[in-house]
Amino acid sequence: SQQGEEDPQALSIQEGENATMNCSYKTSINNLQWYRQNSGRGLVHLILIRSNEREKHSGRLRVTLDTSKKSSSLLITASRAADTASYFCATDGYAGGTSYGKLTFGQGTILTVHP
Amino acid sequence: DGGITQSPKYLFRKEGQNVTLSCEQNLNHDAMYWYRQDPGQGLRLIYYSQIVNDFQKGDIAEGYSVSREKKESFPLTVTSAQKNPTAFYLCASSALRTGDQETQYFGPGTRLLVL
Repeated sequence: SQQGEEDPQALSIQEGENATMNCSYKTSINNLQWYRQNSGRGLVHLILIRSNEREKHSGRLRVTLDTSKKSSSLLITASRAADTASYFCATDGYAGGTSYGKLTFGQGTILTVHP
Repeated sequence: DGGITQSPKYLFRKEGQNVTLSCEQNLNHDAMYWYRQDPGQGLRLIYYSQIVNDFQKGDIAEGYSVSREKKESFPLTVTSAQKNPTAFYLCASSALRTGDQETQYFGPGTRLLVL
């Protein structure tokens, strides 16, 4: 079963606009991560937010986490054509203990940024 | 360069044939993982290993086998029992014993096709 569910499934925007993707999950977590995948390639880690954090920034990325709603959002500001990719959230699903690195991935949001 | 490599990039399997996908890492990571990705879908965990000579089944292990004889290597065999093997296979690793233990680093993937 999928722990994380992304919304929307696909997002199409113009360069310069902001892109917001959402992720919902079902069980308690220690942390939530966002990954990016270019077409036909492996995943690249973007950012990790822990269960005791509410917001985190990295460059043009802003991630929020609401553990009461079991949801997270990824905001990409001032998007570029090079941001075109699929974005996945991943959760460890083991609150208060260790998951031994095991992650559960959502189905992803396909982002297309038009020049 | 440190990293994780997968070979081959494309692999063709005939009916009734076992095939082995290679995954090698030189990141000195303890944990390694195999995922399957179907078109438009997220990643599903096949097998994972936290230490040499030990591995556990993931969510979809049936029809697959692995070994972990060396820290650097975690090959995946797709057996003839796997009736729908066509997919994109991703290998990942993570360092369980450092502060960055939850982040996974991915290889470029192997696309398996059935003839």
